[in-house]
Amino acid sequence: DAKTTQPPSMDCAEGRAANLPCNHSTISGNEYVYWYRQIHSQGPQYIIHGLKNNETNEMASLIITEDRKSSTLILPHATLRDTAVYYCIVQNTGRRALTFGSGTRLQVQP
Amino acid sequence: GAGVSQSPSNKVTEKGKDVELRCDPISGHTALYWYRQSLGQGLEFLIYFQGNSAPDKSGLPSDRFSAERTGGSVSTLTIQRTQQEDSAVYLCASSLIGSGGAGELFFGEGSRLTVL
Repeated sequence: DAKTTQPPSMDCAEGRAANLPCNHSTISGNEYVYWYRQIHSQGPQYIIHGLKNNETNEMASLIITEDRKSSTLILPHATLRDTAVYYCIVQNTGRRALTFGSGTRLQVQP
Repeated sequence: GAGVSQSPSNKVTEKGKDVELRCDPISGHTALYWYRQSLGQGLEFLIYFQGNSAPDKSGLPSDRFSAERTGGSVSTLTIQRTQQEDSAVYLCASSLIGSGGAGELFFGEGSRLTVL
């Protein structure tokens, strides 16, 4: 499975967009990009996933570069409740369980 | 229930005792996963069940750990002769492999195990 690289921590002002980057330069053609987050003391929560095209849902947008070597998770209007560890995972699921790295700790500031 | 249910939510045991942790996945979900998370650490994969296939046990840290999934639904994670380093939150997740959300895992709230 392709390795991902994320900054260990980021800050964002409440109400502003939070842009969380992820590098996955060794991604292969059949691997998806998944984003999860884990709020303190809770189980991880699925946010979004994509293969090639940009994706948007009620929680976030996922922007994948044309060469698929990196992606950005966008929380359009961050709130204090978005403070969490955000995990970017690249994997061809269905064959193996998702493998979580160390993620990015996002702190939303009031 | 609507979500993944785990029990007990908290378990305190003495070193050397056996413990069992239970997971009730979302009804109809074909895949079930166990992870553990030590204090301040990331999620460590333990075992993965998918339908009737042989489970992927590659993440189990030692032969003291075992898990079964009965009838394709409820799963039990058993830790024998517990050690202090087994103290962690044990998380269970389920998913519906084969749908568009193949990677959408739904996690329970976890079972916090403390070994004294």
